Amino acid sequence: GQNIDQPTEMTATEGAIVQINCTYQTSGFNGLFWYQQHAGEAPTFLSYNVLDGLEEKGRFSSFLSRSKGYSYLLLKELQMKDSASYLCAVRDESQGNLIFGKGTKLSVKP
Amino acid sequence: DAGVTQSPTHLIKTRGQQVTLRCSPKSGHDTVSWYQQALGQGPQFIFQYYEEEERQRGNFPDRFSGHQFPNYSSELNVNALLLGDSALYLCASSLRGSLYEQYFGPGTRLTVT
Repeated sequence: GQNIDQPTEMTATEGAIVQINCTYQTSGFNGLFWYQQHAGEAPTFLSYNVLDGLEEKGRFSSFLSRSKGYSYLLLKELQMKDSASYLCAVRDESQGNLIFGKGTKLSVKP
Repeated sequence: DAGVTQSPTHLIKTRGQQVTLRCSPKSGHDTVSWYQQALGQGPQFIFQYYEEEERQRGNFPDRFSGHQFPNYSSELNVNALLLGDSALYLCASSLRGSLYEQYFGPGTRLTVT
């Protein structure tokens, strides 16, 4: 079956670093995506990993281990505007649809 | 460069009614996917259209149907609405042959009463 797990909620302090984990079990794999979604808005693309390792993009980094079915999103120098839901999604086949986790609601506190 | 657009923004319907939602993909994109996102959940894949044909379908009943037009825009139709169909409906566009991200539209918030 298809299963993507991520924590439901996390809280962190402004200026700190937070790591959001995602584990997946899918019938196929053709890339892992992280999206940010503010309440009532559409998801916006943050990162894409298809090979093992770390992808860095400014304050955000994403890591993938295909053998472990594991990824994490690392957010550095947290800002209040980073309070949002973070969605982990796997593309299960070439050109295929995305399978999303339920999202992790991150609250950044002063 | 216009991104993905969807209409309407919000919609209120009664149980048993039918609804049509519309999506225009990002310029240069030829593939449209539709997702349903219930409150507090991640988006669930409904179906994907490419070259005016449904290419993939998620676990949704036949009450959910769609169409893609020659200009790549798309419609999502839902018949015999149920209370459980209340959700945010997201359209995402991409370019066939690209293994990169899908761009999401702002969504249509459907409320069924």
